[in-house]
Amino acid sequence: DTGVSQDPRHKITKRGQNVTFRCDPISEHNRLYWYRQTLGQGPEFLTYFQNEAQLEKSRLLSDRFSAERPKGSFSTLEIQRTEQGDSAMYLCASSTTTGFHGYTFGSGTRLTVV
Amino acid sequence: GIQVEQSPPDLILQEGANSTLRCNFSDSVNNLQWFHQNPWGQLINLFYIPSGTKQNGRLSATTVATERYSLLYISSSQTTDSGVYFCAVGTSSNTGKLIFGQGTTLQVKP
Repeated sequence: DTGVSQDPRHKITKRGQNVTFRCDPISEHNRLYWYRQTLGQGPEFLTYFQNEAQLEKSRLLSDRFSAERPKGSFSTLEIQRTEQGDSAMYLCASSTTTGFHGYTFGSGTRLTVV
Repeated sequence: GIQVEQSPPDLILQEGANSTLRCNFSDSVNNLQWFHQNPWGQLINLFYIPSGTKQNGRLSATTVATERYSLLYISSSQTTDSGVYFCAVGTSSNTGKLIFGQGTTLQVKP
């Protein structure tokens, strides 16, 4: 297993456009998380899936954000009508259900909205 | 919600020096992890340590849950230790959601 994969690594988009990011977790991990990190800050939790069920969403996740995890495998995070304030690093992580060992982050997708 | 405070915010060391990073948290936790974010942005899991002491090579960590703090020790620092060190805590047994501190930025000079 090669760890948590995220695609793309970088995305530059114009304000108002929609963007979609993909995350492939470690295959045996059934928990998947999305975080957002802005410059100089720690990552902030956005949402969490256990298998295909989205069980928690942060208030940071406005109506323009949606996340899916069909079939409990990869996940996508879509941002509609992007704003300059959406510019950030979007990080995906996965872990097992039992205990919190193996919490592994991907390399992230850096979004720049111009 | 729970507050996580890390100190110091910045630290500059000469190669070979030792250092101690601190993480204070405002409520009981059942999950505490230390991460290193390298200059390329990758977050690496160092320790899962909700209580007790662990060691891994030149790094060790201690969490005193009753007093709500954790310490990360780096001995004989190397330039490759540079980056940002984050403490992250969780309070729910139902999810693995983590609340991160602001981080300690470490620069190790040759």
